[in-house]
Amino acid sequence: EAGVAQSPRYKIIEKRQSVAFWCNPISGHATLYWYQQILGQGPKLLIQFQNNGVVDDSQLPKDRFSAERLKGVDSTLKIQPAKLEDSAVYLCASSLGTGAPYEQYFGPGTRLTVT
Amino acid sequence: SQQGEEDPQALSIQEGENATMNCSYKTSINNLQWYRQNSGRGLVHLILIRSNEREKHSGRLRVTLDTSKKSSSLLITASRAADTASYFCATSNQAGTALIFGKGTTLSVSS
Repeated sequence: EAGVAQSPRYKIIEKRQSVAFWCNPISGHATLYWYQQILGQGPKLLIQFQNNGVVDDSQLPKDRFSAERLKGVDSTLKIQPAKLEDSAVYLCASSLGTGAPYEQYFGPGTRLTVT
Repeated sequence: SQQGEEDPQALSIQEGENATMNCSYKTSINNLQWYRQNSGRGLVHLILIRSNEREKHSGRLRVTLDTSKKSSSLLITASRAADTASYFCATSNQAGTALIFGKGTTLSVSS
């Protein structure tokens, strides 16, 4: 079974530039998550989709971050404009459904460095 | 906000020894999960324990849950160099959907 795919794996941008990350979840997984993991901390949820609808985006900085999941499969996360504090690993995860206790499967992440 | 908090922050042991890490959380839970993260395989689910369970085993892993103390422990027996990683406990958010992770315990196993 193919895992969660993410690209790019690494990205370096200057502050105020924009960047986009892509995620392809495991086939058949209805729920998709984007997490932000700052160095030395655990992942923090940014947004959760159930199929192509948003379930929870309460911790997404909506003035600069946006995400979409068209057709209920792939998803993109965008940052515009980026700030220095956005430097982190952005993890995409998927699960069969919502409602604990579904196990979440994580992609390898995109390491973003903002200079 | 972070729900779980792991202790210790860092742990160094020799191969063959046992490693124990603890997790404390603040609010009532339905279940608690442990994940491992290393550079090679990313973040991987290890084990899930439900609130009505007290102990669970999976291979060399043993997880306990004490809901009265709002704490859980992860024991790795006969550790190997490949167990070197960060270990996170995670609980569900209020909606019961996404996970809230602690800051993790960094385990180093030397041969």
